[in-house]
Amino acid sequence: EAEVAQSPRYKITEKSQAVAFWCDPISGHATLYWYRQILGQGPELLVQFQDESVVDDSQLPKDRFSAERLKGVDSTLKIQPAELGDSAMYLCASSFSGQGSPEAFFGQGTRLTVV
Amino acid sequence: AQSVTQPDIHITVSEGASLELRCNYSYGATPYLFWYVQSPGQGLQLLLKYFSGDTLVQGIKGFEAEFKRSQSSFNLRKPSVHWSDAAEYFCAVGADSGGYQKVTFGTGTKLQVIP
Repeated sequence: EAEVAQSPRYKITEKSQAVAFWCDPISGHATLYWYRQILGQGPELLVQFQDESVVDDSQLPKDRFSAERLKGVDSTLKIQPAELGDSAMYLCASSFSGQGSPEAFFGQGTRLTVV
Repeated sequence: AQSVTQPDIHITVSEGASLELRCNYSYGATPYLFWYVQSPGQGLQLLLKYFSGDTLVQGIKGFEAEFKRSQSSFNLRKPSVHWSDAAEYFCAVGADSGGYQKVTFGTGTKLQVIP
């Protein structure tokens, strides 16, 4: 069964360091989402791609976060510098953009701890 | 803009008892509606979805949900809960936003199952 792949699963980093997460969506899914989920809360959309273009990054803290999806397939989310408040689960999801089925399929997530 | 409300933060039920998790949405037209489940430290798994047609939808693991347009609700139900159903449940709404789908999540309901 096709899955969204994310790496790493866990990351511990020191405050002010740079950190990056990778996501490979399900083949053929043009839409890719990065969500941040703080413990005990629902996922919050950080950025959404349609192919290689950003269609929504209104909640992305652009002074420290960046995201790219250069060839419209896999994607990287970067934080520089990391802050203590960035500790959270970072979830990648993808969906098919054609007629019918817009449900998002999620990866296992990356648990980030900033110390 | 769409929004989702899950009024119950935490629910405890006895194993074998019935379950209903509440979800209310806000959107001008008929949205796409989803229920996801998340086990600790994992990504989100789709339980069921509603796009159109029959307002009672069946999902995996014995769950069902009913779309009620008049109440703007999409409550999740299960007739007999199993201990393995203990997890966090998220309702989500997907809607067209400037030519692409935007998916917004509720804050979640944590389900505890007692013997």
